Amino acid sequence: AQKITQTQPGMFVQEKEAVTLDCTYDTSDQSYGLFWYKQPSSGEMIFLIYQGSYDEQNATEGRYSLNFQKARKSANLVISASQLGDSAMYFCAMREPLSSGSARQLTFGSGTQLTVLP
Amino acid sequence: GAVVSQHPSRVICKSGTSVKIECRSLDFQATTMFWYRQFPKQSLMLMATSNEGSKATYEQGVEKDKFLINHASLTLSTLTVTSAHPEDSSFYICSTRIPGLAGSLYQETQYFGPGTRLLVL
Repeated sequence: AQKITQTQPGMFVQEKEAVTLDCTYDTSDQSYGLFWYKQPSSGEMIFLIYQGSYDEQNATEGRYSLNFQKARKSANLVISASQLGDSAMYFCAMREPLSSGSARQLTFGSGTQLTVLP
Repeated sequence: GAVVSQHPSRVICKSGTSVKIECRSLDFQATTMFWYRQFPKQSLMLMATSNEGSKATYEQGVEKDKFLINHASLTLSTLTVTSAHPEDSSFYICSTRIPGLAGSLYQETQYFGPGTRLLVL
């Protein structure tokens, strides 16, 4: 079974600084996908970034980058130049492997509440 | 722009009544949609997988007779909470898969609707 672990219930960062949100995963499959979502207080889940298990380069999307260390089974999210609007809950998620013939659903970590300080 | 819409965004109902939540995929066909539930300060938990034209697949512990799912078209899935009770009060959110370039499953992502806050009195 897949498992996603986010060990930081809450994080604080000063505005304009960078912050790293940790995510580790456990799977015996070779083909999988890792996602990060942002959930502001409104509740919507905003897709931020995706990393495939076979991707050799770390994914980047604007100020978001994913530090993918496959051997360590970690997929940390790095937010550069934090903004006040980045304050939200952040979830790491893993997609079931393509080879399983499954519905390719997501399994979520427990989340990290990020607060950006002015 | 939004990829998935959800309606209503918020609903308050009396105990014992039924509530229907709609999830629509915009601008694309979705053969599969997912329904999640999220309690305050907790993560998202998958309730069921909605399949167009066939029965939904429910996760263990989710009562299929209580949470009715209908996926009658490629753009609409509905979740009906029947005989709602206060313990059903939660945030319900749907999602759908978006394939990658050239229909790549490997690059497939998943987008969520804005969610529905249900309060049962």
